[in-house]
Amino acid sequence: KAGVTQTPRYLIKTRGQQVTLSCSPISGHRSVSWYQQTPGQGLQFLFEYFSETQRNKGNFPGRFSGRQFSNSRSEMNVSTLELGDSALYLCASTTSGTTDTQYFGPGTRLTVL
Amino acid sequence: QKEVEQDPGPLSVPEGAIVSLNCTYSNSAFQYFMWYRQYSRKGPELLMYTYSSGNKEDGRFTAQVDKSSKYISLFIRDSQPSDSATYLCAMSSNTGANSKLTFGKGITLSVRP
Repeated sequence: KAGVTQTPRYLIKTRGQQVTLSCSPISGHRSVSWYQQTPGQGLQFLFEYFSETQRNKGNFPGRFSGRQFSNSRSEMNVSTLELGDSALYLCASTTSGTTDTQYFGPGTRLTVL
Repeated sequence: QKEVEQDPGPLSVPEGAIVSLNCTYSNSAFQYFMWYRQYSRKGPELLMYTYSSGNKEDGRFTAQVDKSSKYISLFIRDSQPSDSATYLCAMSSNTGANSKLTFGKGITLSVRP
C-alpha cells in the first residue's frame, strides 16, 4: 500500500507571495491533518479535515487555510508569506478506526526569502 | 508553560547503551501517548502507542507512562547506530479520526559505533 505523498518536496518563495501544498493520504484514509515543524517550536498542529470538512483547527492565523477533496486529497494554502513561515509542512493521514495511528508523509520544505 | 516538555538534547551514546528519553506534560486530559521517530529528511513514523498508565514493550523499545506524575519515557535497549534519529513524544486527549496530537519538540539521538 502506498504511503502518504506530499508535493512538492521543496519550495522557495518570497515574502508576500502565496503557496499551495498538496497531500495525498493512504488509500482508504479519510482524515488528513497538517502540521508545521520548525526548530524553535517543534511540530504544531494546523488543522484536520475529514470528509471534506474541517473538524479541528490549531492556533494559526487566517493566512493558513486548507481544503479536502472528495477523493480525500488535501491542500493547504498560505497567503502573504512571512519569513517565519519557513518550515517543514507535514501531512498525516489517519485510519477511520478508534486509534490515533497517524501516518506522516515526508513533508514539504518551504523556504521564504 | 508548554503543554508538553521534552529534554532538548542532543544525546550521544555508544552502541549497546540503554537510552532513556523523557517527556513531561501539564494537561491531565491526555490519555493517549505516542513516541515517533524521525530520520533526517523524512516524516515522523510511529514507534510506540500506549493508552493511560503502564508499560508497553516492543522488541528493544519500552514505553512507560505515569499519569500520576504526568511523565512518559521511552527506553531503548542495546542501542544501534540505526537508532540515530530525532525522537518525538506526542499526546492526545481523544481518539479516532478526530484526534489532534500535541508534540514535544524532539530530541536528537546519536548512537556511536
